[in-house]
Amino acid sequence: AQKITQTQPGMFVQEKEAVTLDCTYDTSDQSYGLFWYKQPSSGEMIFLIYQGSYDEQNATEGRYSLNFQKARKSANLVISASQLGDSAMYFCAMREGVTNFGNEKLTFGTGTRLTIIP
Amino acid sequence: SAVISQKPSRDICQRGTSLTIQCQVDSQVTMMFWYRQQPGQSLTLIATANQGSEATYESGFVIDKFPISRPNLTFSTLTVSNMSPEDSSIYLCSVGPTRTDQNQETQYFGPGTRLLVL
Repeated sequence: AQKITQTQPGMFVQEKEAVTLDCTYDTSDQSYGLFWYKQPSSGEMIFLIYQGSYDEQNATEGRYSLNFQKARKSANLVISASQLGDSAMYFCAMREGVTNFGNEKLTFGTGTRLTIIP
Repeated sequence: SAVISQKPSRDICQRGTSLTIQCQVDSQVTMMFWYRQQPGQSLTLIATANQGSEATYESGFVIDKFPISRPNLTFSTLTVSNMSPEDSSIYLCSVGPTRTDQNQETQYFGPGTRLLVL
């Protein structure tokens, strides 16, 4: 079974609209972490946001927020007021087990290609 | 945050040859990871580079094919040996937080090395 599932291979969104990128995960661990990364066409992986399984508040970083629904095992990324520069691949990733503060291997989903339309 | 550089940024190689990719971090980090991203695919962890000991390889990856060195806390190399066209991928190194920003739940990626094997 896939540990990280991103069901939207591609999305087209009008500039300035909000967009939600879906991510569901599968783990039996009580402690885990969820990451979102952005990969522009240049290929670099840009860290966007992190949510820990015990965090009670949804994570936010500027225009990015994470809609964490633990019972549903979903961790959707919400981008508010989309910009042309948001066009990129977006990957959801998971760290299983107790955190070692970034020093753990990640399992990635297949990604969603987001295209912002002017 | 960590600044990570990789060399080379891209290369075109003949089958049967080997290529060594370097990953340099501007601060000391505990863990370094090597990922592969095949064309149009997600990221897959190859191995964890441990300082002072042998790398830890994921299922499907072996040391003879992907030897890794980690001579110190800021540098690692990945060699892709006896290359075939199936090795054409982006190879990315990633690191956990630097010693100056410990306890941060982030994992940083280098810019990647685009490899094409003919």
